[in-house]
Amino acid sequence: GAVVSQHPSWVICKSGTSVKIECRSLDFQATTMFWYRQFPKQSLMLMATSNEGSKATYEQGVEKDKFLINHASLTLSTLTVTSAHPEDSSFYICSAEPRGAGGSDTQYFGPGTRLTVL
Amino acid sequence: DAKTTQPTSMDCAEGRAANLPCNHSTISGNEYVYWYRQIHSQGPQYIIHGLKNNETNEMASLIITEDRKSSTLILPHATLRDTAVYYCIVSAPNTGNQFYFGTGTSLTVIP
Repeated sequence: GAVVSQHPSWVICKSGTSVKIECRSLDFQATTMFWYRQFPKQSLMLMATSNEGSKATYEQGVEKDKFLINHASLTLSTLTVTSAHPEDSSFYICSAEPRGAGGSDTQYFGPGTRLTVL
Repeated sequence: DAKTTQPTSMDCAEGRAANLPCNHSTISGNEYVYWYRQIHSQGPQYIIHGLKNNETNEMASLIITEDRKSSTLILPHATLRDTAVYYCIVSAPNTGNQFYFGTGTSLTVIP
């Protein structure tokens, strides 16, 4: 149980194009989903918190117009990297928090999406 | 910012117990301690979590000090597949439950 998937697992795009990454909770409903970014040899950095049916909350320093987040259902959140540039190349990881988890809200992570911008 | 500090790296002999420490001296009363691990180029895998009491599951044991300022993750019989980066995180579910990852501990299990 508690499986989170991401699609695509890797993507290569040209500079200036937009890329959409999907995050799905496969066997549970997720009230909240989170998006992280990880550069090589570094730790995960929280980008934003996404609650179903409301606007995402972005961490300081993360451009909301560059990283568009949509959480339209309890099982799907999407991250769109708009006008991607080489510096956006990174490993993007989502996590999902089961609805009604109560008490401690364990996050379950997806396998990640490797984005390379040429 | 991360509220935890961990040693950068550790080695452990295969078959022996791996004890991974974590300091979280500024932990608040409503914050849980979570442990995850990440194998290269994969998403983090949940291991265990706790609030005050020691916890055990099929993967590991979590020992939390009485003052809650530190904890230890114990892998009872380390295998080569346990080689990974282990992250200790403190977070409060009722204040958004954001996870701020520190640098983690890179555990290498040696044959």
